[in-house]
Amino acid sequence: GAGVSQSPSNKVTEKGKDVELRCDPISGHTALYWYRQSLGQGLEFLIYFQGNSAPDKSGLPSDRFSAERTGGSVSTLTIQRTQQEDSAVYLCASSGDRQETQYFGPGTRLLVL
Amino acid sequence: QKEVEQDPGPLSVPEGAIVSLNCTYSNSAFQYFMWYRQYSRKGPELLMYTYSSGNKEDGRFTAQVDKSSKYISLFIRDSQPSDSATYLCASGRGATNKLIFGTGTLLAVQP
Repeated sequence: GAGVSQSPSNKVTEKGKDVELRCDPISGHTALYWYRQSLGQGLEFLIYFQGNSAPDKSGLPSDRFSAERTGGSVSTLTIQRTQQEDSAVYLCASSGDRQETQYFGPGTRLLVL
Repeated sequence: QKEVEQDPGPLSVPEGAIVSLNCTYSNSAFQYFMWYRQYSRKGPELLMYTYSSGNKEDGRFTAQVDKSSKYISLFIRDSQPSDSATYLCASGRGATNKLIFGTGTLLAVQP
């Protein structure tokens, strides 16, 4: 079946603008994760959604970052007033019954000028 | 200190060589251990995962975990140029399900 999809694949924006990144998880997967991958930093956990439970937002780096998941499926990560240090690849993953086995999308490459 | 440490490489080997990739972790609460492969400009792809100390084999790949020394390894036998990628180790525990990743090791297999 289809894997995790993300859009846009690339985004260039100016400092101070808001951006929205979208994730479509694998159909039927109840858990959805956002990670950020910066050069030389590895993947950094941002936020985790599981069903109707309150999301785990413990990884969000500042209050400029927020995410929502509508209808238990599609998720949007929003970064307000973008800064140059927000430039990174933003990766979305989903998992099903085995929540530890997370399947990743191709990522959105964000460049803040 | 990061919870999961990984030598970033790069590591260059000739085709057919045995590759050893290693990570260490510091959190005794970690319950499961994963290896992901990431090709350039692609998302990470789950290769293997294990929950216990010991070896787990899948084709040319063997994952090894030693919980007593908090050491994670991935061995690749008969390496191929198509194995050239960044390999990421990750650990996690059931309470949170969020994975803690190493920084990744860049591997190049020379034909």
